[in-house]
Amino acid sequence: EAAVTQSPRNKVAVTGGKVTLSCNQTNNHNNMYWYRQDTGHGLRLIHYSYGAGSTEKGDIPDGYKASRPSQENFSLILELATPSQTSVYFCASGARLGQDTQYFGPGTRLLVL
Amino acid sequence: QQNVQQSPESLIVPEGARTSLNCTFSDSASQYFWWYRQHSGKAPKALMSIFSNGEKEEGRFTIHLNKASLHFSLHIRDSQPSDSALYLCAVSTGGADRLTFGKGTQLIIQP
Repeated sequence: EAAVTQSPRNKVAVTGGKVTLSCNQTNNHNNMYWYRQDTGHGLRLIHYSYGAGSTEKGDIPDGYKASRPSQENFSLILELATPSQTSVYFCASGARLGQDTQYFGPGTRLLVL
Repeated sequence: QQNVQQSPESLIVPEGARTSLNCTFSDSASQYFWWYRQHSGKAPKALMSIFSNGEKEEGRFTIHLNKASLHFSLHIRDSQPSDSALYLCAVSTGGADRLTFGKGTQLIIQP
C-alpha cells in the first residue's frame, strides 16, 4: 500500500506566525499535492509539484508557499498565518497525472488563533 | 476552469437498498473520472475510476459515465452501514496536472 505521512497531525498557531506543514511519501511518485478541506467546500488544491525542485500554483494559492526539496518531501508554508487558514490539510502523491490514484496522507488539523 | 457539482448533498438510505450519487462537470475535454470515499476523520481513498463512456462494475459498486451529458454517477448495490462516508467525485482533463473535486455527498446507511 502506498504510504504518505504528514507532520504535525495537529497544530495550533497564532495569527501572524509562520507555519510549516510537512509531507513525506515512500511511493516514488513524481507528483505531490497539497489540499485543504473545509465543510461545504470539499477538497481544494493549494499547490502541487511534478518533482524535486518544482512547485505549481493550484486553485487557491494565495497566502501559501510550497517547497519540494526532494522526490519524497513536499512542504506547505504559511508565512503569515491567518484565522481563515484554519482547516484540515491533506497531502497526496500520485504517479501519472489524472490517470492514477492519488494516495492521501492522514491530514493535519490546523487551528490559527 | 473546471466546475464539478455533486448531488445530493446528503442522503440517508436503509441497509440493503440501492444508492445513487451524481456528479456533473463543465469541461467537455475531461478524460478521467474518479470517486473517492472518506470515512469520518480519515483520509480520502480512491474507490473507482472510469476513463471511457459506459459502465464499470466492481463488486457492489458501479460507475456510469455519459460524457455528452457531462455527467457520471456511482451506484451502490445492497448498501451496508460500512458504506456510510463522504463520497467525493473528481475530474481531470487529459494531460491536465490536477483533479478537481466536488464538494461531496454525505451518505448515511441506516441499519
